[in-house]
Amino acid sequence: DIVMTQSPDSLAVSLGERATINCKSSQSVLYSSNNKNYLSWYQQKPGQPPKLLIYWASTRESGVPDRFSGSGSGTDFTLTISSLQAEDVAVYYCHQYYSTPPKFGQGTKVEIK
Amino acid sequence: EVQLVESGGGLVQPGRSLRLSCAASGFNFDDFAMHWVRQAPGKGLEWVAGLSWNSASIAYADSVKGRFTISRDNAENSLYLQMNSLRAEDMALYYCAKSVVKAAINKGYFDYWGQGTLVTVSS
Repeated sequence: DIVMTQSPDSLAVSLGERATINCKSSQSVLYSSNNKNYLSWYQQKPGQPPKLLIYWASTRESGVPDRFSGSGSGTDFTLTISSLQAEDVAVYYCHQYYSTPPKFGQGTKVEIK
Repeated sequence: EVQLVESGGGLVQPGRSLRLSCAASGFNFDDFAMHWVRQAPGKGLEWVAGLSWNSASIAYADSVKGRFTISRDNAENSLYLQMNSLRAEDMALYYCAKSVVKAAINKGYFDYWGQGTLVTVSS
């Protein structure tokens, strides 16, 4: 099984500042036949289900603000919130869908400093 | 509008069974693989099971293999999870999630999630 490890477990960022979350997979999730990274990011606010933010490691889902961006390839990925807003307080999860079983990172809690 | 509505959760004693349902609407249900993902109280997301559009491909997490059975009824636009021999560690909010692919358990991210149904396992 592929293990997904996020860092940090939590971070506190001032409003308007940048938040960076890292995700590392124990094996590459880059599919050589199409050069796509099978990695997505979800946002979960308290009392709500997860919401898809990013797929293919860097493609923003429709309607997601452009302050959210994803990057990385192979085994190392990053979710960046360029200018943190109050409504971005949530837990963020990375997710590999390259192989079965699909696996999520343990989550990173983002708070306002 | 895509909607996934889970039901069937509740309080159950250890060792007993429960069947969860997920009613889907707003998309062609038989064009997509579907999954169950759970979240224990205060914990992260754990994939439980998934199946392809025609149920030809099915997979389970090791933690539920042999105890849980995922199924679907495309005529009823419904997904199910039969949970037997429930344990305390199965207590969680169970989400139904739609994949973006049709035939594979992997290779697809989850673009829509239901609100979840809570399963409490306690004597």
